[in-house]
Amino acid sequence: AQSVTQLDSQVPVFEEAPVELRCNYSSSVSVYLFWYVQYPNQGLQLLLKYLSGSTLVKGINGFEAEFNKSQTSFHLRKPSVHISDTAEYFCAVSDPMNYGGSQGNLIFGKGTKLSVKP
Amino acid sequence: KAGVTQTPRYLIKTRGQQVTLSCSPISGHRSVSWYQQTPGQGLQFLFEYFSETQRNKGNFPGRFSGRQFSNSRSEMNVSTLELGDSALYLCASTPTGGPSPLHFGNGTRLTVT
Repeated sequence: AQSVTQLDSQVPVFEEAPVELRCNYSSSVSVYLFWYVQYPNQGLQLLLKYLSGSTLVKGINGFEAEFNKSQTSFHLRKPSVHISDTAEYFCAVSDPMNYGGSQGNLIFGKGTKLSVKP
Repeated sequence: KAGVTQTPRYLIKTRGQQVTLSCSPISGHRSVSWYQQTPGQGLQFLFEYFSETQRNKGNFPGRFSGRQFSNSRSEMNVSTLELGDSALYLCASTPTGGPSPLHFGNGTRLTVT
C-alpha cells in the first residue's frame, strides 16, 4: 500500500532562515504529489502540486518543491521564512490504483510542524 | 466563489449518541471527500462521493456513513459514538475530470464525552 513519510515531526527555525521539509513516498509508479498547509483551527490549504512535467514546482507564499522520482521524494523548501509561515505542513500522494476513478482519496503524511522564531 | 462550508464548527456529544455533519462543496464541484484528523492517526480518508454515489471508502467501521444529495451537498453520520471518535472532521471537494487538488473546509471539531 502507498505510504508517505514526513521525516521531521517538528522543525524550529529562525525568521528569514531557509527551511526544507522532507517528504518521501513509497510508490515507484507515477503519482501525483501535493503539499498542504494547515493553520490552527483551520482546514488544509493547497501550497503546490506536482502532476507531471517540470520536477521543480512553485507554489504560493514563496514555497517550492522538487520531485525526485529516483529517490521517491518531494521535499518542500522556502529560502526565507516568516513568522506567518508557522503552521503544520502535510505532504500527500494520490493512490495510483484509485486515481482513475476517485479523486478524493489522498494519502497524507503525519505532518511537520514548522515553528518560526523571531 | 465561496469555499467549502462545513457545519457546525464545533460539536459536543455523549458516548452512544449519533451525530450528523454537513458539507457544502464549492459551486460546480461534484466530488466530496471526508477525512478524520486526530493527533495520533493524522489524516485518514473516510469516503468519497460523486454524483450521489459512494465512489471510494476508507478503513472505518460501519458506524461511519455518508451520503450526497443531488446538489452535491454531503452529510456524514456517526452512530453509537465512542470516545475515540473525537476528532476534526474535514470535508473536501474537487471538480470533475482529471487530477485536481482537494479544496478543504475548516472542519467540524467533534468532542465525545
